[in-house]
Amino acid sequence: EVQVVESGGNLVQPGRSLRLSCAASGFTFDDYAMHWVRQAPGKGLEWVSGISWIGDTIAYADSVKGRFTISRDNAKKSLSLQMNSLRVEDTAFYYCAKSPGLFAEPQFDDWGQGTLVTVSS
Amino acid sequence: DIQMTQSPSSLSASVGDRVTITCRASQSISTYLNWYQQKIGKAPRLLIFAASSLQSGVPSRFSGSGSGTDFTLTIRSLQPEDFATYYCQQSYSLPPTFGQGTKLEIK
Repeated sequence: EVQVVESGGNLVQPGRSLRLSCAASGFTFDDYAMHWVRQAPGKGLEWVSGISWIGDTIAYADSVKGRFTISRDNAKKSLSLQMNSLRVEDTAFYYCAKSPGLFAEPQFDDWGQGTLVTVSS
Repeated sequence: DIQMTQSPSSLSASVGDRVTITCRASQSISTYLNWYQQKIGKAPRLLIFAASSLQSGVPSRFSGSGSGTDFTLTIRSLQPEDFATYYCQQSYSLPPTFGQGTKLEIK
């Protein structure tokens, strides 16, 4: 059974940092690109960042570029998102999702349950 | 970035009804269009990929169609478990972008 489990969400003050993790099981992790998608409470879905299966191609939404860093460890079947200089508008549920096929054509076929990041003073 | 616009934003229907949700892209995206279902408090679930291909495990009452800029998601014979919010998403180019969602409610 495919499982994707996020962790690391918390309440943090504006300007501070937080690191999210995603643990994968039940599929061949290094066959898939992995992505982070977020959803502010009561709002729609927003793609945040993605990384190719080998980690050589990375992309970010303009809203997080220069502040967030995505990485993966295929040996540990894990994905991470380092979030620096957090802003109130980064408050959201953050989902880890896997994507088959080409990195540049992402479709999200399995999602974690999400982890909540709240940025507030 | 490619803008995705769904209509309607909300929809009331009854069990057994047939419903259609539309999604329009701001430029042609061929058939690089995916549909998701999200229930309250849950993660999204992929229903349809490549505009019309049914994801494994998804009931056949769900279907998708369209190409270019205009797409539809049809649910034939609504079931109680289908009341949820539906999102379209383009996978034609980065960044992937989503529609604003269509909330399907029980009449």
